[in-house]
Amino acid sequence: GAVVSQHPSWVICKSGTSVKIECRSLDFQATTMFWYRQFPKQSLMLMATSNEGSKATYEQGVEKDKFLINHASLTLSTLTVTSAHPEDSSFYICSARVLGGWANYGYTFGSGTRLTVV
Amino acid sequence: RKEVEQDPGPFNVPEGATVAFNCTYSNSASQSFFWYRQDCRKEPKLLMSVYSSGNEDGRFTAQLNRASQYISLLIRDSKLSDSATYLCVVNLPLGDDYKLSFGAGTTVTVRA
Repeated sequence: GAVVSQHPSWVICKSGTSVKIECRSLDFQATTMFWYRQFPKQSLMLMATSNEGSKATYEQGVEKDKFLINHASLTLSTLTVTSAHPEDSSFYICSARVLGGWANYGYTFGSGTRLTVV
Repeated sequence: RKEVEQDPGPFNVPEGATVAFNCTYSNSASQSFFWYRQDCRKEPKLLMSVYSSGNEDGRFTAQLNRASQYISLLIRDSKLSDSATYLCVVNLPLGDDYKLSFGAGTTVTVRA
């Protein structure tokens, strides 16, 4: 089945530094990648949608200059949290939509990245 | 109003019991519906899709009521391994595209 590899699985960084999270589709081409954030006991909140070769579309309230998304190829999308602050500490998950599908088999999730900013 | 609302629980049940819970969604244009399972500190995993006529997958039964805009999940003969958070997920049309909208999850704990 379609697999998305997400790295790192956890990261601790100091305030003010930047952190890059990678999601790679291993055996399929992901034209669309979704980036979510989940705070404890809350739902996954969509941050942005990225399409290969074009600019990401950000959800309302998500700062595009702070959360930089790059989707330069069909197998790699990255999220960079710039100038991270403690309130950015969260669980970040990517999800790829398999080419040509939008039904249940069309979404596959990375294993998530737990970011702690100290 | 949230796009998808769920009873957070927790539902604490003994092994072998039946547990059921619902979620409601606000957008009547929602196209498709799913239940995902999320274990602590892990990514969500698809449990089952929800079809208009209702559907079963082993011990799990899902129902959809489009008129009332709610979805239900029933777990029969619950196992310890069913302990997890169950996420109600709705696929919303967004222009020419779609996006998944997640509920906050219902926590189920099955005790021995």
